[in-house]
Amino acid sequence: IAGITQAPTSQILAAGRRMTLRCTQDMRHNAMYWYRQDLGLGLRLIHYSNTAGTTGKGEVPDGYSVSRANTDDFPLTLASAVPSQTSVYFCASSEQAGTSSYNEQFFGPGTRLTVL
Amino acid sequence: KNEVEQSPQNLTAQEGEFITINCSYSVGISALHWLQQHPGGGIVSLFMLSSGKKKHGRLIATINIQEKHSSLHITASHPRDSAVYICAVRFRGGADGLTFGKGTHLIIQP
Repeated sequence: IAGITQAPTSQILAAGRRMTLRCTQDMRHNAMYWYRQDLGLGLRLIHYSNTAGTTGKGEVPDGYSVSRANTDDFPLTLASAVPSQTSVYFCASSEQAGTSSYNEQFFGPGTRLTVL
Repeated sequence: KNEVEQSPQNLTAQEGEFITINCSYSVGISALHWLQQHPGGGIVSLFMLSSGKKKHGRLIATINIQEKHSSLHITASHPRDSAVYICAVRFRGGADGLTFGKGTHLIIQP
């Protein structure tokens, strides 16, 4: 693994189903983020984690949950998917959170999710 | 509400032209990022800056903290520069993570 990987690449899901999007990084970065990208709205922050064991809510957290059991993995779960969650989801990481100078963000390749 | 505005939304230019994309934001920031997204979706970080100017190859990014404004310049543009360019900021005192502009869709014609 080099950088950030996301799985699946794409998924079609029936409304009401539970879905977990996976994100793994091998850079030992402390901070990780989940964003969604929608046409006309751009990228928006869903949830973030400054370090393993902690998480926080972003701009659009409703309907999503995250966990950070270790440094490398940051899964995003949709407990009961709805069509408005159709989007492209990007995971990202940075060495540190906050105002540190080491907070360039590295992005995963994205997961295209369609909820019918 | 903390906002990031980019202009123009769309830009078509001829190969070789000098390109400028602008970004303005509403309140104080700790860092500003310029990102590039090619068709197919991958997002790449071009610059991260909190003051002054940075240069990488034909790309130049500047920021004026007092005016809350940044510009991304491309010199001697080439068709391979065609992409969506996104400005993003880390607002001071806000949630960790970035707030994004809606992007500038750049097409460089041969």
